[in-house]
Parts: sequence; structure tokens; C-alpha cells
Amino acid sequence: NAGVTQTPKFQVLKTGQSMTLQCAQDMNHNSMYWYRQDPGMGLRLIYYSASEGTTDKGEVPNGYNVSRLNKREFSLRLESAAPSQTSVYFCASTIRHLSNQPQHFGDGTRLSIL
Amino acid sequence: AQSVTQPDIHITVSEGASLELRCNYSYGATPYLFWYVQSPGQGLQLLLKYFSGDTLVQGIKGFEAEFKRSQSSFNLRKPSVHWSDAAEYFCAVGGYGGSQGNLIFGKGTKLSVKP
Repeated sequence: NAGVTQTPKFQVLKTGQSMTLQCAQDMNHNSMYWYRQDPGMGLRLIYYSASEGTTDKGEVPNGYNVSRLNKREFSLRLESAAPSQTSVYFCASTIRHLSNQPQHFGDGTRLSIL
Repeated sequence: AQSVTQPDIHITVSEGASLELRCNYSYGATPYLFWYVQSPGQGLQLLLKYFSGDTLVQGIKGFEAEFKRSQSSFNLRKPSVHWSDAAEYFCAVGGYGGSQGNLIFGKGTKLSVKP
């Protein structure tokens, strides 16, 4: 069982370049999430998709866009990368968008922007 | 607004010693609480969760946590730490209201294990 798969695992970009981070889950989950993790900051929610066809902003959405391509896939796009977006990005999914549902995480994409 | 505080940024324990990682939350009602572990280079893995009922919950890898409403705490414990437990640990609370379904994470506690 793959669970939540993120691609790529590592990426280096130059300031101003664009990039799409891919996430796919094979658990038939309805809800998907994008977080960024920075040292000493824990995980901060960027965007989420409570169900197929919906997306909503999280705590730190500026500079990002998302697409819920279908039930399995949820992508995160950086239109014009900035050094402040250097981070580790995690995708997660859960059965339903409810407070009592644990989330399942991918292994992350480590992104450096020069 | 809800919040989660993990007071200890970094803890070092000797292998075989007991462990307690602290977590305090701010929430108006009975919270949904979670502990996750992140090994180096990996994603987060759920250790255990508390929803209601018995305030002592058991998780994977020999971990347990106790919910104490009076102290707004949900501390993680393990009687005897193994070297493989070296990782970062995150406490989280389930959101409510407009953020229902979102998890609010603490900033994490990094655990180092001395041989």
C-alpha cells in the first residue's frame, strides 16, 4: 500500500521559477491537505480540499495555488518562487474533513529556492 | 482560537530511561487530540489519538498518553526508550467551527537518545 505519494522528493529552483508539487493518495480519502514545515514552526496549513471539487485557504496560502484534479490527486503550485518558500512540503489525506479524523502524510518534498 | 504548546524544543534521554513529552492545548470544549512522530527524512506517522472516554490511551510502539482536562494537557509517555525512538514528536488538536477538520499542530519536540 503506497498511501500518500508525493513527487518530486527534492527540488531546487531559482527565484521566479514556477513549479507544481504533486500528491496522490490510494486510500479513497475524501479530504486532502498541503502543509509546509519550517524549523521551529511545526506544520502550517497552506490549502486544503475537504472534498473533490472544493478547495480552501489555510493559514499561509499567499504565493500558492492548488488544484484538486480528482479524488486521488491534489497539486500545489508555486507560480513565482521566492526564497521564503524554501521549506519541506507535506501532503496529507483523511477519510472526511472532520475534527476527529487523523491525517495520513506523505514523505514530503524538500524544496530549495535560490 | 485553538492552540497547542509543546514547551520543550529538544529533549535528550538515555536509552532505557523513561520519557515524557509535554503538550498543552487551548480549547473550549472536549478536544480531539493526536500525537504524531516524524523520523528523519520521513512524513508524520500517527502514534495515538484521544476522542473521549478513558483518559489514558495506548498507541503504537509502546507509547501512551494521558488526557488531563484540569491541566489542559495531553502528555506522551514511554516507560523505556529505545534508540529507534529518536525523532521529532508533534502534538495536534482537531479544529472546530470554521476550521473544523483542520489539525492545529504544536511546534514539535525533538528527542535525542543517548546510548
